[in-house]
Amino acid sequence: DAKTTQPTSMDCAEGRAANLPCNHSTISGNEYVYWYRQIHSQGPQYIIHGLKNNETNEMASLIITEDRKSSTLILPHATLRDTAVYYCIVRGLSGNTGKLIFGQGTTLQVKP
Amino acid sequence: DAGVTQSPTHLIKTRGQQVTLRCSPKSGHDTVSWYQQALGQGPQFIFQYYEEEERQRGNFPDRFSGHQFPNYSSELNVNALLLGDSALYLCASSLRHANTEAFFGQGTRLTVV
Repeated sequence: DAKTTQPTSMDCAEGRAANLPCNHSTISGNEYVYWYRQIHSQGPQYIIHGLKNNETNEMASLIITEDRKSSTLILPHATLRDTAVYYCIVRGLSGNTGKLIFGQGTTLQVKP
Repeated sequence: DAGVTQSPTHLIKTRGQQVTLRCSPKSGHDTVSWYQQALGQGPQFIFQYYEEEERQRGNFPDRFSGHQFPNYSSELNVNALLLGDSALYLCASSLRHANTEAFFGQGTRLTVV
């Protein structure tokens, strides 16, 4: 599985969009980009995933560059409850959906 | 839907003892994975169970073992506990052979003293 690089920490004002970048320059053609977040002392929560097209759901949007070497998770209107560690994970799907390789993630602090 | 449930939520054990942690997967899921998360670190993959067999294993010693039951629930066993085994142990369930996400439980906080 490809490795990812994320900033250690970011701040965002409440009500503004939070844009969390992720670099995955060694991603291969059959690998997906997944985003999870972990609020303090809870289990990780799935946010969104994509292969090459941009994706949107009720929680966030995922923008993947055309060369697929980087992506951005967008929380359109951040709230204080979005304060968490956000993990960007690249994973292939060879019939195995359980194994996730977590890095250090980005600690997002949403401020009032 | 109860989601992924883990028990117990907290546990304190003495060095050298053995511990068993339990996980019930989300309804309809057939694959269970276990992770260890030390303080300040991201979760680390321990192993994965499918059809009652260990299918993948991370870089963990044989002291860590597991089991999956016919109803897909799973146990994680750790023998000869070390102080360094103190961590949050997370269970994740998923549906094999499907492009779907893994769902995590709230974890078991193990403290070894």
